Amino acid sequence: EVLLLESGGGLVQPGGSLRLSCEASGFTFSNYVMNWVRQAPGKGLEWVSGIIASGDSTYYTDSVRGRFTISRDNSKNTLYLQMNSLRAEDTAVYYCAKSNSFDPWGQGTLVTVSS
Amino acid sequence: EIVLTQSPATLSLSPGERATLSCRASQSVNSYLAWHQQKPGQPPRLLIYDASNRATGIPARFSGSGSGTDFTLTISSLEPEDFAVYYCQQRRSWPLTFGGGTKVEIK
Repeated sequence: EVLLLESGGGLVQPGGSLRLSCEASGFTFSNYVMNWVRQAPGKGLEWVSGIIASGDSTYYTDSVRGRFTISRDNSKNTLYLQMNSLRAEDTAVYYCAKSNSFDPWGQGTLVTVSS
Repeated sequence: EIVLTQSPATLSLSPGERATLSCRASQSVNSYLAWHQQKPGQPPRLLIYDASNRATGIPARFSGSGSGTDFTLTISSLEPEDFAVYYCQQRRSWPLTFGGGTKVEIK
């Protein structure tokens, strides 16, 4: 069974940093593109960032480029999202998802940016 | 960036009725379009990938069609568990994008 387990969310002040992790199991992690998607409270889905299987290429939505960094450790089957200079508008549930068809999704981790 | 526009925003139907959801892309995505279902308090779930292929374990009452810029998700006969929000999503090019969602609610 393919499983994705996010962690690292929490409450952080504006301007602060958090590092999210997504531990993968049940598939050959190093063969797949991985993505981060977020959902602000009561809102729709917003793709945040993606990384190809090797980790050599990364992609970001405009609103996080320069503040967030996606990375992966294929030896640990783990995807990361380093989030710096956090803003109130980054408050959301953050999901990791396998492949560009998002199959499957993790359960999500809540990030709250507030003073 | 490819913009996906879903319609209607809300669909009010009764169990047993047919649901037809639309997704229009601002430029061609070929067949690289997926549909996801999300219920309250749960993560989304992939229903359809590459326009018309059901994901593993998805019932046959869900079907997808279309190519290029116009796509449709059809639920042939609504079951109580189908009342949820549905999102289309394209993987034709970066940045990946989602539509705004269609809420299927009980009439």
